[in-house]
Amino acid sequence: GAGVSQSPSNKVTEKGKDVELRCDPISGHTALYWYRQSLGQGLEFLIYFQGNSAPDKSGLPSDRFSAERTGGSVSTLTIQRTQQEDSAVYLCASSIDRGEAFFGQGTRLTVV
Amino acid sequence: AQSVTQPDIHITVSEGASLELRCNYSYGATPYLFWYVQSPGQGLQLLLKYFSGDTLVQGIKGFEAEFKRSQSSFNLRKPSVHWSDAAEYFCAVGSFGNEKLTFGTGTRLTIIP
Repeated sequence: GAGVSQSPSNKVTEKGKDVELRCDPISGHTALYWYRQSLGQGLEFLIYFQGNSAPDKSGLPSDRFSAERTGGSVSTLTIQRTQQEDSAVYLCASSIDRGEAFFGQGTRLTVV
Repeated sequence: AQSVTQPDIHITVSEGASLELRCNYSYGATPYLFWYVQSPGQGLQLLLKYFSGDTLVQGIKGFEAEFKRSQSSFNLRKPSVHWSDAAEYFCAVGSFGNEKLTFGTGTRLTIIP
């Protein structure tokens, strides 16, 4: 596609349920990022994938959060046993080496 | 460790006034830098970028930024702001040899009449 695509655009889930958020990066982009943006807050780094290297998971807030990237392309961010504090917009971005990051429109997650 | 600091969480300026948003970075290698803007309810859009060469770079919407190695800064400027510039602004840094981009936490810009 022409840009980074994220799905779903909105997700409402009950507390305690698991959710999966999907990111389709720009074709050929080797780097993929996940960020979280809570209401009125800045960007919180979650995880970074670069090619075949081991991902940088240093930003994941708890072991309820995990992410994978299959075939160096599509990525899924999974949140297990969701909590209300997980409510936020989850942003995905992709880039090539030394290039700008292109962001998707995000998934707005609401935990009720 | 690599880091990016945007010291101002929130800035308010009058329409037509000049603007400077600060960005400081801590990197061991030669950095390359970006400024992004996020308008309310919108995604992040690239304003400008610096890789090498002229340290004063021009971007879209009349913005410019100056790379100052001695001060480890990449401040964003605009001579005269418009009400439509109200948004969140993010600075980001990567470096040759470590291409992971690190973003600052952002500066929210409010424009008053």
